[in-house]
Amino acid sequence: AQSVTQLDSHVSVSEGTPVLLRCNYSSSYSPSLFWYVQHPNKGLQLLLKYTSAATLVKGINGFEAEFKKSETSFHLTKPSAHMSDAAEYFCVVSVPLYTGRRALTFGSGTRLQVQP
Amino acid sequence: NAGVTQTPKFQVLKTGQSMTLQCAQDMNHEYMSWYRQDPGMGLRLIHYSVGAGITDQGEVPNGYNVSRSTTEDFPLRLLSAAPSQTSVYFCASIATGRREVETQYFGPGTRLLVL
Repeated sequence: AQSVTQLDSHVSVSEGTPVLLRCNYSSSYSPSLFWYVQHPNKGLQLLLKYTSAATLVKGINGFEAEFKKSETSFHLTKPSAHMSDAAEYFCVVSVPLYTGRRALTFGSGTRLQVQP
Repeated sequence: NAGVTQTPKFQVLKTGQSMTLQCAQDMNHEYMSWYRQDPGMGLRLIHYSVGAGITDQGEVPNGYNVSRSTTEDFPLRLLSAAPSQTSVYFCASIATGRREVETQYFGPGTRLLVL
């Protein structure tokens, strides 16, 4: 079984300062890892995904995430926050099962506030 | 290429009523799934399908039925709506293959209120 823990339910930063959203996972198998963003009353948009090709993954809108197997972490970062980054962010772990199912587990989400 | 579409966007039901949430994708994805999103709980899997004619239960299947007669469509049926089913429902399809790692494409969601 796998699980995802987003360590902060709310993060507040000032515009122009760095963003760090923390995610830890557990999995018995080599997982695929994703970050999704959800703006108010909108669907989920893929920010980035870990494909095992590189531990530092670059996504859209200047976001990055680093896969650290030894720490079982996949933290999301951005050097400089923008007001439009205010949203809810979900860390997701996916493990393919022999049944054909993808065992997808979502974190509970981190709400990012950006202060002017 | 419309991606994943969902209808309706918003629905109000009375307890005991039934309805079908529609989901369609035009990307020829084999794998489709339904989630519900509740505050502080992320997304939870209701049902999923690995191809036409094949469906299975997720984490929270009670009170919901699905069918998959075509690759494109994956409707979710509420048999007898209950207030506990008030939620936002997302349909998703997954791109698989050698070059792509299980990227899920989400629909815009259906907000359901059960009174």
